[in-house]
Amino acid sequence: NAGVTQTPKFRILKIGQSMTLQCTQDMNHNYMYWYRQDPGMGLKLIYYSVGAGITDKGEVPNGYNVSRSTTEDFPLRLELAAPSQTSVYFCASSYLSYNEQFFGPGTRLTVL
Amino acid sequence: GENVEQHPSTLSVQEGDSAVIKCTYSDSASNYFPWYKQELGKGPQLIIDIRSNVGEKKDQRIAVTLNKTAKHFSLHITETQPEDSAVYFCAAQSQTSYDKVIFGPGTSLSVIP
Repeated sequence: NAGVTQTPKFRILKIGQSMTLQCTQDMNHNYMYWYRQDPGMGLKLIYYSVGAGITDKGEVPNGYNVSRSTTEDFPLRLELAAPSQTSVYFCASSYLSYNEQFFGPGTRLTVL
Repeated sequence: GENVEQHPSTLSVQEGDSAVIKCTYSDSASNYFPWYKQELGKGPQLIIDIRSNVGEKKDQRIAVTLNKTAKHFSLHITETQPEDSAVYFCAAQSQTSYDKVIFGPGTSLSVIP
């Protein structure tokens, strides 16, 4: 199993550009999550999904959108990128809630 | 909503010594408390977790204790090794936070050989 994979690893965007961060898991997990990690701030939940077709907002959803058309994929869309979205983004998955989350390697995004 | 605080933010210990990281949470309904280790350039990885019906859990050199009355939980690492150097995150999860996992800000642990 590859676990949770994320692409790209690094990306530089200009203000106002859009992009999609890809996330795929091959563990048949129901739950998937997107977090952002700012220096010294821990992990903040952006969006999460409890299954295909179901998504919900986390702590910091503004400026982002998600979709979950399959069990495996959970892409995160940034519209109109802003410098405040400069961060490291982690995708994670778990089989059930209140259980271990498996994290991908992260995407480092810089908005200039 | 839930708030998780974590102390210290940085911790430096000599190899072989013990390390203790402490967390507090605000939501008395929280019932799942995982600890994650993040090595440089990687995603976090679960090292141990504890549920609210248990006061202590141990796995080799790692132990976690939970005091529900005081809303405290702690990570204890004994006989530290250089490979224990990483950032450690505590977290809490409860139904009143719509099952979201709330993470603490992290502790950067350095083990000096």
